[in-house]
Amino acid sequence: AQSVTQPDIHITVSEGASLELRCNYSYGATPYLFWYVQSPGQGLQLLLKYFSGDTLVQGIKGFEAEFKRSQSSFNLRKPSVHWSDAAEYFCAVAPNYGQNFVFGPGTRLSVLP
Amino acid sequence: EAGVTQFPSHSVIEKGQTVTLRCDPISGHDNLYWYRRVMGKEIKFLLHFVKESKQDESGMPNNRFLAERTGGTYSTLKVQPAELEDSGVYFCASSRRRWEGDNTGELFFGEGSRLTVL
Repeated sequence: AQSVTQPDIHITVSEGASLELRCNYSYGATPYLFWYVQSPGQGLQLLLKYFSGDTLVQGIKGFEAEFKRSQSSFNLRKPSVHWSDAAEYFCAVAPNYGQNFVFGPGTRLSVLP
Repeated sequence: EAGVTQFPSHSVIEKGQTVTLRCDPISGHDNLYWYRRVMGKEIKFLLHFVKESKQDESGMPNNRFLAERTGGTYSTLKVQPAELEDSGVYFCASSRRRWEGDNTGELFFGEGSRLTVL
């Protein structure tokens, strides 16, 4: 069965610091990969996605993620965090187009002023 | 275009009562999904519609849950009778068909319906 792990339940960083959120998945082939963010009181918003091609993908709000096949990872990064980035971040995979997503448990990000 | 809309945003009911959640997907999206997040745990898949047909309902927890999508437009998820463990946030999502210019299967999510069962 597919699984997605996000090892960090809660991360706290200072505003302006760099950020890396980890995501590892367990699946035989390369799945479709996604990062979503949920801000307080909001729905899930897509940050970025990968299914083929360049392994470094750019997303909205200055986020990027790198797919590493050898490590089955899809880590999310941002060079300088803003206070508005405080939210919960979810990594998700789908084995194929249109199939249901498997979500990781989420990482809650707190940003110190 | 309007996004995925869900109603109600929050529902508080007593154990044994019935609740119906509604989802309006983005217009033209044939794929509609229901997910839920219970007590801060993972977001779990419930079921997937393609138009009005249930493509995959393997995530439905038990027969107290009934999902419908009459006419292939909006969908409802009914919980009857509700139990305490049903409390959580129920998300609806929709996506395009593959040949409509999107090849990543991105899901567009609503803001969720929070269900509290007392």
